[in-house]
Amino acid sequence: DQQVKQNSPSLSVQEGRISILNCDYTNSMFDYFLWYKKYPAEGPTFLISISSIKDKNEDGRFTVFLNKSAKHLSLHIVPSQPGDSAVYFCATTGGFKTIFGAGTRLFVKA
Amino acid sequence: DAGITQSPRHKVTETGTPVTLRCHQTENHRYMYWYRQDPGHGLRLIHYSYGVKDTDKGEVSDGYSVSRSKTEDFLLTLESATSSQTSVYFCAISVGRGRDEQYFGPGTRLTVT
Repeated sequence: DQQVKQNSPSLSVQEGRISILNCDYTNSMFDYFLWYKKYPAEGPTFLISISSIKDKNEDGRFTVFLNKSAKHLSLHIVPSQPGDSAVYFCATTGGFKTIFGAGTRLFVKA
Repeated sequence: DAGITQSPRHKVTETGTPVTLRCHQTENHRYMYWYRQDPGHGLRLIHYSYGVKDTDKGEVSDGYSVSRSKTEDFLLTLESATSSQTSVYFCAISVGRGRDEQYFGPGTRLTVT
């Protein structure tokens, strides 16, 4: 029973357009969320996070939106670049344990 | 760069053999983690450590044990490897235990034949 769900295994976007990656969670007690990016043969790297006291957090081309009532968060990448092609994991954390979604593979076409 | 290395980076072993994976960090962070990554499952926590000789189980700990005798080293042992343990294993550290992001090592690809 996945507590953090990324329902789209893959997404293909044209360079320069917006990429939107989605994530749903099941437990309304979750209150801190993160996005990680992973290239092949490397470990994941932290990208951006958001606390439940906010509904938006922005860092350069990356923005995360949180809709608590829908238990949904999304990562927007604008404009998308070929170097953004990677697997993106959403995650929630509390205490020692971080729960990851299954990941979405993003392809940005030049 | 959080100074995390993993060894070996690749390993092929036979069913029933013991295997130990090593994670080494250079910055003396207190919290260390072992994950496995499998298609369709993302990253799943195997074990974690909150200090020297202080460890606890994660969600997929069966068949795995860990040890941490020094701050900088966190060892993951498969006592008797099975084919279901074929996976990519990642070590991670975090600065704090709460809402801190984790920093990951480069991973170890383990194949059990």
